[in-house]
Order: sequence, then C-alpha cells, then structure tokens
Amino acid sequence: DVKVTQSSRYLVKRTGEKVFLECVQDMDHENMFWYRQDPGLGLRLIYFSYDVKMKEKGDIPEGYSVSREKKERFSLILESASTNQTSMYLCASSSFWTFYNSPLHFGNGTRLTVT
Amino acid sequence: KQEVTQIPAALSVPEGENLVLNCSFTDSAIYNLQWFRQDPGKGLTSLLLIQSSQREQTSGRLNASLDKSSGRSTLYIAASQPGDSATYLCAVRPGETSGSRLTFGEGTQLTVNP
Repeated sequence: DVKVTQSSRYLVKRTGEKVFLECVQDMDHENMFWYRQDPGLGLRLIYFSYDVKMKEKGDIPEGYSVSREKKERFSLILESASTNQTSMYLCASSSFWTFYNSPLHFGNGTRLTVT
Repeated sequence: KQEVTQIPAALSVPEGENLVLNCSFTDSAIYNLQWFRQDPGKGLTSLLLIQSSQREQTSGRLNASLDKSSGRSTLYIAASQPGDSATYLCAVRPGETSGSRLTFGEGTQLTVNP
C-alpha cells in the first residue's frame, strides 16, 4: 500500500514565524500535491510538483512556497505565518505514468493553528 | 468554472440500511470522477475511480455510478455499518492535460447508528 506521511499531526505557531510542513511518500510517485481544507471552502490546491525541483502554483499559492529536492519529499513553507493560514493541510501523491487513471493517495493531514 | 455539489451535507441512517450519496457537477466534460472517504481529523482515502467512458465501478459493498451527460454520480453503500460513518467526498478531473486539477465537493457526512 502507498504510504504518505506528514511529519506532524498538530502544530501551533505564532504569527510571523516561518513554518515548514513535511511530506514523504514511499511509492516512488512523481506527482505530489499540497491542499488545504477549510469548513465551507472544501479542499483547495496550494502547489503541486511533477518532478524533483519542479513546482506549479495551484489555486491559492499566495503566502506559501514549496520545495522538492528529493523525489519522495515535498515540503510546504509558510514564509511568515498569519492567522488566516490556520487550517488542515493535506499532502497527496500519485503516479505520473498512470496519473490520469490513478487515484490520489493522501496523508493524514497536519492541523496548523497560527496564533 | 467547474463546481461540484454534494447533497445532503449530512445523513444519518440506522445500521443495515442501503443508502445513496449524490454528487453533481456543472461541466460534463470530465475525464474521471473519484470518491473518497475521510474520517474525522484524518486524510482522504480513495474508494473508487470512474473513467468518463465507464458507467459504474464496484468495490465490495460500494458501487459508484456516473452519468456524464446529466452531470451526476452516485455512491451506493449496501448494508451500512457503523464503521461506514465518515465524510464522503467526490472529486472530478476536467481533462487529461498536465494542468488538469481535481475539483472537490464539500462532502456528505454520514452517520450509521447501531
């Protein structure tokens, strides 16, 4: 089974801090994604990556950046955390070669609170 | 812009009942549709994926159907159990280009009472 692991289940950070959310997958997937999930707004795509060192903006990239130095790891960075970034963050991965026919595999999420 | 709607937002049923969850989408030009399950405070687990050329997919007690022309999909759960309690989300992929992104519904929160 595919395993997508997010390093923290819960994080509490202060406004202005730089925050790193880490995600690792063990299935050699090319594609990795970061979503945030908020009540009433559903899941929204922040950034995604099709290969090492490649990244593309999703629907809500403002205030975020990403890093993909190794194939198995995709990091989401909040450069200066703000209270409106309090949310559940979900990482996902999928295979490139079967991308259009393969399901997304999600991690368990990181609940981030910015105070 | 593609919009995905799931009605009802919440559903409560007694154990053993067969039930149907609904998903509708505004743009019928989709490539595939996926159903997920989400337990409280956790990530999403993929249940079924239906290609646009398919009418249905089955996995155990779950059966998902797709009617592209009417912009609808249903998830049928047979003989529901308390362990089926979760939020169920559907998501559509609009096309096969590299920029093609999933659009998610907000989910139906299902409670199966013992």
